[in-house]
Amino acid sequence: KAGVTQTPRYLIKTRGQQVTLSCSPISGHRSVSWYQQTPGQGLQFLFEYFSETQRNKGNFPGRFSGRQFSNSRSEMNVSTLELGDSALYLCASRRTGEDPSYEQYFGPGTRLTVT
Amino acid sequence: GQQLNQSPQSMFIQEGEDVSMNCTSSSIFNTWLWYKQEPGEGPVLLIALYKAGELTSNGRLTAQFGITRKDSFLNISASIPSDVGIYFCAGRSIQGAQKLVFGQGTRLTINP
Repeated sequence: KAGVTQTPRYLIKTRGQQVTLSCSPISGHRSVSWYQQTPGQGLQFLFEYFSETQRNKGNFPGRFSGRQFSNSRSEMNVSTLELGDSALYLCASRRTGEDPSYEQYFGPGTRLTVT
Repeated sequence: GQQLNQSPQSMFIQEGEDVSMNCTSSSIFNTWLWYKQEPGEGPVLLIALYKAGELTSNGRLTAQFGITRKDSFLNISASIPSDVGIYFCAGRSIQGAQKLVFGQGTRLTINP
């Protein structure tokens, strides 16, 4: 069974530009969450999507947005990039249901560098 | 916001030694998770805990969900070189919600 895939794996952008990152969840997983990982702040929750709807959102500015498609694939977008947006962006997918043991599986991440 | 305090931040041990790390929270969690992350990869789930007092093992790894629901620990017995990595605790306070709060991580280095 293929894991969570994220593209691209590495990206270099210039301050002020925008970027779109992509995530393909594990087959059968309908929930996708995004996290930002930096050395200073650690792993921080960005948002979660299920059935093309955002279900939960972390404390990030509106420059960070996302969406989910009918096939459960998800994209996140960061507009007007700032130097502080340099981070590893991780996507995690989860099978949904009442069983609490349906936990999140993470992809390898997209390393974004803003110069 | 919610914060998890994970300690120690780093550990330097000899191969074969046992390892212990823990996480504490100022608020109650109903799920505790332990992940391991290696360079260039995303976190990999090691152990999931869902009940206060629960003690769960995964090979040489053992984790416990604290009785107060505000803490958890992870033990690794007889460490081997492939145990090297960063270990994260994570908690969930709302049943069914996907938002995880992560600790700052414990970086484990092993001298052969």
